[in-house]
Amino acid sequence: EAQVTQNPRYLITVTGKKLTVTCSQNMNHEYMSWYRQDPGLGLRQIYYSMNVEVTDKGDVPEGYKVSRKEKRNFPLILESPSPNQTSLYFCASSPPDRGRAPTEAFFGQGTRLTVV
Amino acid sequence: GEDVEQSLFLSVREGDSSVINCTYTDSSSTYLYWYKQEPGAGLQLLTYIFSNMDMKQDQRLTVLLNKKDKHLSLRIADTQTGDSAIYFCAERGYGGATNKLIFGTGTLLAVQP
Repeated sequence: EAQVTQNPRYLITVTGKKLTVTCSQNMNHEYMSWYRQDPGLGLRQIYYSMNVEVTDKGDVPEGYKVSRKEKRNFPLILESPSPNQTSLYFCASSPPDRGRAPTEAFFGQGTRLTVV
Repeated sequence: GEDVEQSLFLSVREGDSSVINCTYTDSSSTYLYWYKQEPGAGLQLLTYIFSNMDMKQDQRLTVLLNKKDKHLSLRIADTQTGDSAIYFCAERGYGGATNKLIFGTGTLLAVQP
């Protein structure tokens, strides 16, 4: 079954304690991205990756890091989490944009992070 | 810059039609999307429309696009309680990452039995 898997689904942590949220996709997609969802703000892109070893900042990258060592995995790293990073996080993957057809993004189930 | 706006909440009775509205600013978008987010789940693509179309119908869903006003709407006919969810419109961003989706704030649709 084609899917994007995030772990953990729920996480409560303390300020400053490094954490990693994993994301894995089994569709051989080149493009992967991380979003955060906050009430009244919709989804905002944190980082994206066009392919292995190619990553770039999205709209709200401050306080986050990512890596793309393998095509299937795209972990999100919070080196020193702060309470304003309490949010619902989504990983997404999609095939390359060929320009002739819509590119569907496949989303993980989400990770609800609380930083106290 | 790119911006997509939606009203935050819509309440309808079961069996009525729902209309969810969205405005966007990037006139160069080629595709516009509607995603559905059920409670505790990720987003799922519901439907999309190509920018050279005015309307697209897919079973109970009708998408209307007014390019002049940069207005997109999603009509759900015969709304059911299972349609209760958050609905996001999205446009494809341009620039270095053509896969980038710019999402609206989301509209919470509540269907009353």
